[in-house]
Amino acid sequence: NAGVMQNPRHLVRRRGQEARLRCSPMKGHSHVYWYRQLPEEGLKFMVYLQKENIIDESGMPKERFSAEFPKEGPSILRIQQVVRGDSAAYFCASSDSPGDNEQFFGPGTRLTVL
Amino acid sequence: AQSVTQPDIHITVSEGASLELRCNYSYGATPYLFWYVQSPGQGLQLLLKYFSGDTLVQGIKGFEAEFKRSQSSFNLRKPSVHWSDAAEYFCAVGNQAGTALIFGKGTTLSVSS
Repeated sequence: NAGVMQNPRHLVRRRGQEARLRCSPMKGHSHVYWYRQLPEEGLKFMVYLQKENIIDESGMPKERFSAEFPKEGPSILRIQQVVRGDSAAYFCASSDSPGDNEQFFGPGTRLTVL
Repeated sequence: AQSVTQPDIHITVSEGASLELRCNYSYGATPYLFWYVQSPGQGLQLLLKYFSGDTLVQGIKGFEAEFKRSQSSFNLRKPSVHWSDAAEYFCAVGNQAGTALIFGKGTTLSVSS
């Protein structure tokens, strides 16, 4: 059973460009979570999605960031008009149900904004 | 609001020595608590979790943690550290809505020979 897949593993963008980060959850998992890890910081929750629905986006910046989890295909975290402060590692996790269940993490996408 | 504090940013332990990593949480009800380990450039791997019941929890790789409600702590322990345990360790608590994990800032463990 393949784990959580994220691609690309490394992404370099210039200021003002768009970044698209993809996450394929573990087989059988329909709950996806996105976290951001800034240097010297722990992981910060961004958004929780189920298929075709955003359940909790309380950690998402109000502008430039969006997420989706379509019926078919991976979950996408989209960052428009990136700025240097967006440089971070972005981790996706999945679970087969919310609440007390374990979240399985992907290897992350390391975004560098030049 | 829920929060997690890991007081030690960096700890160095000799190989074969015992280890304790501290974690304190702030939470109104019975918390769901987790310890994750992250090797450089990698994702997070779950070491152990506490939901209810026995307050001493056994995990993978010889780790254990003890939930102490009176101290709001969930410290991670290992009786004998191996060089391969060098990594960053994160304590986390599940939020009340059950939609997210709230992480501490992590403790970096170095193992000296």
